[in-house]
Amino acid sequence: GQNIDQPTEMTATEGAIVQINCTYQTSGFNGLFWYQQHAGEAPTFLSYNVLDGLEEKGRFSSFLSRSKGYSYLLLKELQMKDSASYLCAVRGLPSSGGSYIPTFGRGTSLIVHP
Amino acid sequence: GAGVSQSPRYKVAKRGQDVALRCDPISGHVSLFWYQQALGQGPEFLTYFQNEAQLDKSGLPSDRFFAERPEGSVSTLKIQRTQQEDSAVYLCASSLAGSSWDTIYFGEGSWLTVV
Repeated sequence: GQNIDQPTEMTATEGAIVQINCTYQTSGFNGLFWYQQHAGEAPTFLSYNVLDGLEEKGRFSSFLSRSKGYSYLLLKELQMKDSASYLCAVRGLPSSGGSYIPTFGRGTSLIVHP
Repeated sequence: GAGVSQSPRYKVAKRGQDVALRCDPISGHVSLFWYQQALGQGPEFLTYFQNEAQLDKSGLPSDRFFAERPEGSVSTLKIQRTQQEDSAVYLCASSLAGSSWDTIYFGEGSWLTVV
């Protein structure tokens, strides 16, 4: 089975930096995704990590340590519009049908205040 | 199309009613996923298609749930005899090839409320 754990809620101040952690226990590993989801909207793709290390993309960075089963999403220069849920998702071993199906955590609700 | 399109966006069903939710994936995308998302939770996997073949339906919660993708493009998720616990957002997603490195793109979801 697969278990993905992330904090339920975090708060931060506009302009600050916030780190959202995700730990996972999976059967095999074939990549980790981060998605952003505003209330009532579709999850939108932020990042994908399959090798250890840091991937930087503008204000957002994502880090992966496969040996520790750990990832984090780093958001810099926070803006009010960054208030959203952040979903961590992991691809484990392929299913019996050969498909790579991501399993999602419950999401971290980030509240950015002035 | 430019993105994954789902309809209806909102559906209120009386308990016991059948509902059908439609998903139009990104043009050319081979893989299609259905997820169920309850309020305050992450998406839970329901079923997966590669072209018209339903390769995994292990997440369907009961035999009241049925999904199809007969021509390998549009998919329909059908829920028979809806129950209150079926109230959730149903998310459809697609990816280009279904490989281990594919990015998955989501639609905005169909919000189902069973009363």
